[in-house]
This record gives sequence, structure tokens and C-alpha cells, in this order.
Amino acid sequence: GESVGLHLPTLSVQEGDNSIINCAYSNSASDYFIWYKQESGKGPQFIIDIRSNMDKRQGQRVTVLLNKTVKHLSLQIAATQPGDSAVYFCAVTAGGKFQFGAGTQVVVTP
Amino acid sequence: EPEVTQTPSHQVTQMGQEVILRCVPISNHLYFYWYRQILGQKVEFLVSFYNNEISEKSEIFDDQFSVERPDGSNFTLKIRSTKLEDSAMYFCASSVSLPTDTQYFGPGTRLTVL
Repeated sequence: GESVGLHLPTLSVQEGDNSIINCAYSNSASDYFIWYKQESGKGPQFIIDIRSNMDKRQGQRVTVLLNKTVKHLSLQIAATQPGDSAVYFCAVTAGGKFQFGAGTQVVVTP
Repeated sequence: EPEVTQTPSHQVTQMGQEVILRCVPISNHLYFYWYRQILGQKVEFLVSFYNNEISEKSEIFDDQFSVERPDGSNFTLKIRSTKLEDSAMYFCASSVSLPTDTQYFGPGTRLTVL
């Protein structure tokens, strides 16, 4: 069946450095990909998305890269700030039924 | 800024009891979703709902679950006979029209089954 996995459960990053969070997926028919941020006790918050016809998309301080060849997705956060501390997870869909990764806990240290 | 709201924030129930979790999606959204997240685990898709019917559902969404749009604003998830393993955070989400539109999540309802 479908699986969505993350490579690292915890990422510790110094304030001001860049963060890179990775996600692997298995269904080659996946056509839409989302990164979410989830702070403790809150619901997931949309960060950025990308469709399968693109390989890169940029937002404010965030960039998502999609490599369909190896079925890999990454989220880059530039100049990580204390407010970026949260769990980040990817969601992948082929036809409207989403599957979520387990999440990477990003800890921003001063 | 419009947001998805959910009530109650925490629901405690006895095993075998029925629970109804309530959501008010963003008012101009047409697609609604329920997800659950067992403590410490990944978010899991349960069901999507559009035009007053289920659009997609997962294997988790078995006969003990049902969804309803009882009026123009509420979207409910009913669990008919709760089990211990139903204990989780349940998130409602909505999107403007398509599942590939941005989904906005509510704050969640923590369901505890004793």
C-alpha cells in the first residue's frame, strides 16, 4: 500500500540557519503535495504546496522541492526563527485521498 | 480571518457510547474533511464530503462512523459505538472547492474513550 515517510524524526537547527526537512512517498501516481506545520496542541497549518507538474515552488522563507524520479519531497526553511519550532509533515495525494507523513520535530536553538 | 471551528475541544466518553463531534467549516467552502491523529502518530485521513455526500473515505472509516451536514453551517462526525482505540484528536478541515485547494484545519477535538 501507500506509504509516506520522513527521514528524520527530530531536526535541531540554530536560529538563523536554514532547515531542510525531507519526505519520501511511494505512489508514483501522486499528483499533489503539501507541507504542514503543527504546533503543540493545534491543528495542522498549511505552509506550501506543489503539484506534480512542477519541481520547485517558493513562498515566504520556504521552498518546496519535488523530485518525482526518486519520489522525494523536501521543505527548506530559510533563516529559521524560534517561531518555526514545530512538527512539520508532508501530505501526498493521488486523486483526493491524502496520506500524511509521521512528522519531523524542528527544534530551533538560540 | 475566517477559520474552521470545532466543538467540543475535549470529549470524554465511555466505551460503547455514541459521540458526535461538531465542526463549522469556513462559510464559502464546499469540501469538508475529517482526519484523526492518535497521540504521537501521524495524521490519518478519514473522509471527505462534497455536495452532501461522501466523496472519499479511508479504510478507517467503517460502519461505526458517519458524517452529516445537518444544516448550512455544521459538519458532524458521529462515532456510533466508541472503542478505546478511537481515542485521538479529530480534526475537521475545509477547502474552497477541490481537495487540491488549500485545506484549512480546525483546532481539533480530543476524544478520550474510557
